[in-house]
Amino acid sequence: KQEVTQIPAALSVPEGENLVLNCSFTDSAIYNLQWFRQDPGKGLTSLLLIQSSQREQTSGRLNASLDKSSGRSTLYIAASQPGDSATYLCALVWDTGKLIFGQGTTLQVKP
Amino acid sequence: NAGVMQNPRHLVRRRGQEARLRCSPMKGHSHVYWYRQLPEEGLKFMVYLQKENIIDESGMPKERFSAEFPKEGPSILRIQQVVRGDSAAYFCASSPKGTAVPGYTFGSGTRLTVV
Repeated sequence: KQEVTQIPAALSVPEGENLVLNCSFTDSAIYNLQWFRQDPGKGLTSLLLIQSSQREQTSGRLNASLDKSSGRSTLYIAASQPGDSATYLCALVWDTGKLIFGQGTTLQVKP
Repeated sequence: NAGVMQNPRHLVRRRGQEARLRCSPMKGHSHVYWYRQLPEEGLKFMVYLQKENIIDESGMPKERFSAEFPKEGPSILRIQQVVRGDSAAYFCASSPKGTAVPGYTFGSGTRLTVV
């Protein structure tokens, strides 16, 4: 059974700090890996999709890496801002489009 | 393009009643996925449907839950005889293909409360 673990469960940082969110998974035979953001009471917003043949993806201040051999992905957020406060979810993507989610990391960026 | 539309946004049901959650995929998307987020838990896959077909229902509870995606109209997640443990946020996502290509989009969810 595929399991996805995100560490830490919660994180509080001052504005401007660079930070790393971690995601680990048990089965390296994944299709793709995707990072999402969820704001309280809202749906999910896709941040970055890393295909299994790729090692990283970048979008603005966000950089996500994927190491299938070690079963790990990281989401790096540069120069954090209060507007980055949200829950960040990583998800393994099966070839059918089915997603297996981690529990999420709740981030608070303090002004 | 209005995105993935879920309704109602909030639904309150008494124990034993039926809950019907609707999901209208994005225009041109024929693949729908349902997920459930229980309080203090992560999102869990429930079911994957194409038009008129259930492709993968490995995450659906064995009893009281059913899903359909008819040729015309929205996808429906139906929960019969609801219990307090069914209280959760239910999200659907749609995709133009059965993969997580760019364009795989989530709705804002239906928050079910069973009283």
